[in-house]
Amino acid sequence: DAEITQSPRHKITETGRQVTLACHQTWNHNNMFWYRQDLGHGLRLIHYSYGVQDTNKGEVSDGYSVSRSNTEDLPLTLESAASSQTSVYFCASSGTGTGGTEQYFGPGTRLTVT
Amino acid sequence: AQSVAQPEDQVNVAEGNPLTVKCTYSVSGNPYLFWYVQYPNRGLQFLLKYITGDNLVKGSYGFEAEFNKSQTSFHLKKPSALVSDSALYFCAVREGSNTGKLIFGQGTTLQVKP
Repeated sequence: DAEITQSPRHKITETGRQVTLACHQTWNHNNMFWYRQDLGHGLRLIHYSYGVQDTNKGEVSDGYSVSRSNTEDLPLTLESAASSQTSVYFCASSGTGTGGTEQYFGPGTRLTVT
Repeated sequence: AQSVAQPEDQVNVAEGNPLTVKCTYSVSGNPYLFWYVQYPNRGLQFLLKYITGDNLVKGSYGFEAEFNKSQTSFHLKKPSALVSDSALYFCAVREGSNTGKLIFGQGTTLQVKP
């Protein structure tokens, strides 16, 4: 069955370190998204991609970057981790079409920045 | 600009009773609406969507949602709640007809008591 996976599931890092969170989907979806979820803020979009070599900033992109070198993967990099980036991170993917296509979510990565 | 609101932070219902989780939206053009459920320490799971057609949409786990254009609402319903339905529920609207981005509400916690 197709799926979307994230790794690691839990990560503790120190302030100032570079961190990369992996996202891999086997849906063959063109669209991929990264969100963070914090209490009181719901889901906030960090970056998204509509295909290989395409990346776009979301509403909370400062301090984060992504790259899309193939269809399956969209890694999220925190250039210099800050305590404010302690959060749960979700990756999602969706297909393309004229109708509203639902997003499928990964299980999440809980990141703690100390 | 597209937006979605979930006016209740929490909904409490007794097992066996009907449940409703409310969602209102604001869009320009035709709305594409979605409901997701999130269980503790899990990613979001797609429940159902409205694109066009019948105003009553049926989804997973016995849930349904009623689209009401005049009231700009898309309430989630279930005739008989289960304790296992207790979770966090998100309503979402597609940002536009040519985008895969979703705008999420803040979420509503559903608590079903035995």
